[in-house]
Amino acid sequence: QQQVKQSPQSLIVQKGGISIINCAYENTAFDYFPWYQQFPGKGPALLIAIRPDVSEKKEGRFTISFNKSAKQFSLHIMDSQPGDSATYFCAASMSRQGAQKLVFGQGTRLTINP
Amino acid sequence: GAVVSQHPSRVICKSGTSVKIECRSLDFQATTMFWYRQFPKQSLMLMATSNEGSKATYEQGVEKDKFLINHASLTLSTLTVTSAHPEDSSFYICSARQGAGDTQYFGPGTRLTVL
Repeated sequence: QQQVKQSPQSLIVQKGGISIINCAYENTAFDYFPWYQQFPGKGPALLIAIRPDVSEKKEGRFTISFNKSAKQFSLHIMDSQPGDSATYFCAASMSRQGAQKLVFGQGTRLTINP
Repeated sequence: GAVVSQHPSRVICKSGTSVKIECRSLDFQATTMFWYRQFPKQSLMLMATSNEGSKATYEQGVEKDKFLINHASLTLSTLTVTSAHPEDSSFYICSARQGAGDTQYFGPGTRLTVL
């Protein structure tokens, strides 16, 4: 119930292409869904986040699509660039319960080929 | 804004010694701080949650006597790995949350190597 399942584990995309990473959850009490980007040897950095009252949120080349009925959400990176090569984590939390701990997906290692 | 720092960035110590890692929120007051560890090519594993002035809440399976957490002020939390052993070698990352907001801001991490 507390798991967030992320796929694929790794992804290779050509420069200029669209990178798509998917996540699924079971706990309907989750109401905050952030995506983090992590470079090797660095801490995760918040990319974009969404709440279940909207189906899509876009910030620059990054878009989150959210499907509440399917309990799935995805990250789309448009016009992918070599600098986007990193590990991406989806996460979920319950904003009105306790410490609002984040539950992380397993991560996706994205490689953008030049 | 919302910058979190960690010190040191990497530390090498001998087995049996204790190591202290500091986590600071530089431009905001952190009501809650979190400590994670991350093994190579794996996801982040939450170790404990701490609120300023309160005892930390540890996740199941995390030894509270081994990983001592102190959240003495709204801008500083420390993690002390006591009597470190090679299996404690890992990447330790802290995060901080401001007020009642959802967003966690992560520090750059500390690479601990125990020889």
